[in-house]
Amino acid sequence: GAVVSQHPSWVICKSGTSVKIECRSLDFQATTMFWYRQFPKQSLMLMATSNEGSKATYEQGVEKDKFLINHASLTLSTLTVTSAHPEDSSFYICSVRGVSQPQHFGDGTRLSIL
Amino acid sequence: AQSVTQLGSHVSVSEGALVLLRCNYSSSVPPYLFWYVQYPNQGLQLLLKYTTGATLVKGINGFEAEFKKSETSFHLTKPSAHMSDAAEYFCAVSEKGAGSYQLTFGKGTKLSVIP
Repeated sequence: GAVVSQHPSWVICKSGTSVKIECRSLDFQATTMFWYRQFPKQSLMLMATSNEGSKATYEQGVEKDKFLINHASLTLSTLTVTSAHPEDSSFYICSVRGVSQPQHFGDGTRLSIL
Repeated sequence: AQSVTQLGSHVSVSEGALVLLRCNYSSSVPPYLFWYVQYPNQGLQLLLKYTTGATLVKGINGFEAEFKKSETSFHLTKPSAHMSDAAEYFCAVSEKGAGSYQLTFGKGTKLSVIP
């Protein structure tokens, strides 16, 4: 069964709105959660890493105020794309890792900004 | 710093033929190595991983990979391709001992299987 639940799987919204994506670890406590962005026909680019109860560590070039990450518990992390614009359209994938666990990935969220 | 190079962004094989997807890595410390598969509009599924021990690693769906330190390679193989193997494959490296164990991905190889 699925180890990671990511929701929603597809979002279409107007420019200027904020979109929240949830990532849940179903089988174990996720000490670390990762958020990736994937452009069409390209690899995954790490956006940020978060540990439960701590502020997320963002990769160079990723705007903290644009992509808000909240790792509220050992099983839940959220990514909020604030004031989304067409250039934010992409495939966003979360990943979780626990103690002695490899990284497990969610099924991704396709975000389309009109 | 670690990096991954996947040779060939697109590989086509006939059904029943050998699958060979190439991956070379660079790492300053002994690496952990992974192969993931991605189907359209889905996340990544772990095929196999190498951490320590036996250098020939067997994974799901009949895939296997061999860690060759002297060649800094971790090529993925399957003796006989099946139509359901058509997908995008990503090789990844994670440095052992790194504080955050971050994965660095290759650019991916799209595998097409011809009937």
